Amino acid sequence: DAGVTQSPTHLIKTRGQQVTLRCSPISGHKSVSWYQQVLGQGPQFIFQYYEKEERGRGNFPDRFSARQFPNYSSELNVNALLLGDSALYLCASSWGADYGYTFGSGTRLTVV
Amino acid sequence: AQKVTQAQTEISVVEKEDVTLDCVYETRDTTYYLFWYKQPPSGELVFLIRRNSFDEQNEISGRYSWNFQKSTSSFNFTITASQVVDSAVYFCALSEDNNAGNMLTFGGGTRLMVKP
Repeated sequence: DAGVTQSPTHLIKTRGQQVTLRCSPISGHKSVSWYQQVLGQGPQFIFQYYEKEERGRGNFPDRFSARQFPNYSSELNVNALLLGDSALYLCASSWGADYGYTFGSGTRLTVV
Repeated sequence: AQKVTQAQTEISVVEKEDVTLDCVYETRDTTYYLFWYKQPPSGELVFLIRRNSFDEQNEISGRYSWNFQKSTSSFNFTITASQVVDSAVYFCALSEDNNAGNMLTFGGGTRLMVKP
């Protein structure tokens, strides 16, 4: 079975631009979460979606938004990019909290 | 609010040494889950273990073992006879009970370097 897949793997954007990151969960997983990992730090929670509804949101500005589609895949959008948005963006999928979380390899975003 | 602290930012050992990575957590919930993940240079977070708050039994998996102590809010990870391939950043994480899945709160990570 395929694991969590994220695209693209690497991305370079200019300040002020907008970016969309994509995530396909493991087949059957209905929960998708997004995390931002700045170099040298632990991942920080951005969003969690379950059954296409937002279930949680971390301490991130409104420039960050996400959605989950009927097939449970998800997109993370970031508007008006700042240099500080440069990070590894990780997607995780799960059946639920009791089953653990499987992470994708991430999208490395560089804002110049 | 939940919090995870990994006080050791970096550990360096020589191959075949045993090494323990510390993790201390804070939560107000009585039901929660604790995790350890390994992050090699490739970046992907590799799941190692999940433990719920009602199961304090220690666990051993090959060279890996975990010591969960609710009394001290700690969930430490020991690698026995370390190998160069164990070199990575290790994260401890906490999740509170939520049937829909819930956010993970990660510690800052411990970078383990195993030298030949």
